[in-house]
Amino acid sequence: DAKTTQPPSMDCAEGRAANLPCNHSTISGNEYVYWYRQIHSQGPQYIIHGLKNNETNEMASLIITEDRKSSTLILPHATLRDTAVYYCIVRANNNAGNMLTFGGGTRLMVKP
Amino acid sequence: KAGVTQTPRYLIKTRGQQVTLSCSPISGHRSVSWYQQTPGQGLQFLFEYFSETQRNKGNFPGRFSGRQFSNSRSEMNVSTLELGDSALYLCASSLSSQAGNTEAFFGQGTRLTVV
Repeated sequence: DAKTTQPPSMDCAEGRAANLPCNHSTISGNEYVYWYRQIHSQGPQYIIHGLKNNETNEMASLIITEDRKSSTLILPHATLRDTAVYYCIVRANNNAGNMLTFGGGTRLMVKP
Repeated sequence: KAGVTQTPRYLIKTRGQQVTLSCSPISGHRSVSWYQQTPGQGLQFLFEYFSETQRNKGNFPGRFSGRQFSNSRSEMNVSTLELGDSALYLCASSLSSQAGNTEAFFGQGTRLTVV
């Protein structure tokens, strides 16, 4: 699976949009982009995933560039409860299993 | 529906002992994966089971083993515990074995302390 690069930390003001970037320049055509987050001492939580098109759900939006070499996770109105480590992961669409390769992630701090 | 259940939540063991951790996946999910999380190494994949067969294995010594039962429940075992095995052990369940449209749901983890 392709490697990802994320900034180690970011701050965001409460109520503002949080834009978390992820670089995956070596992504291949059959690899999806997944985002998870981990709130302190809890298990990671699935947020969203996509292949080529932008995606939106009740938690966030995922914007993938046309060349698919980078993506941005957008939390439209960040709250204090969104403070967490956010992981960007790319996974191949094959039958090889569900292994997730976690990098260091981005520690997002939402401030009042 | 019920989420992923891991037991026990906390465990203290002595060096040299062995430990068994349990994971009950979401009903209907056939894939169970295990991860180890430490401050130094982050989240690392241990192994995955699908329909009672190990599909993938991470880079961990043979002291770490697992199994999956016919009801998809899974256990992992660590033998001859070392201080460095102190970690949060996380279990994740997924509906199928295909990556494309399958998200993983994680349990709250078992925090193992080896003294």
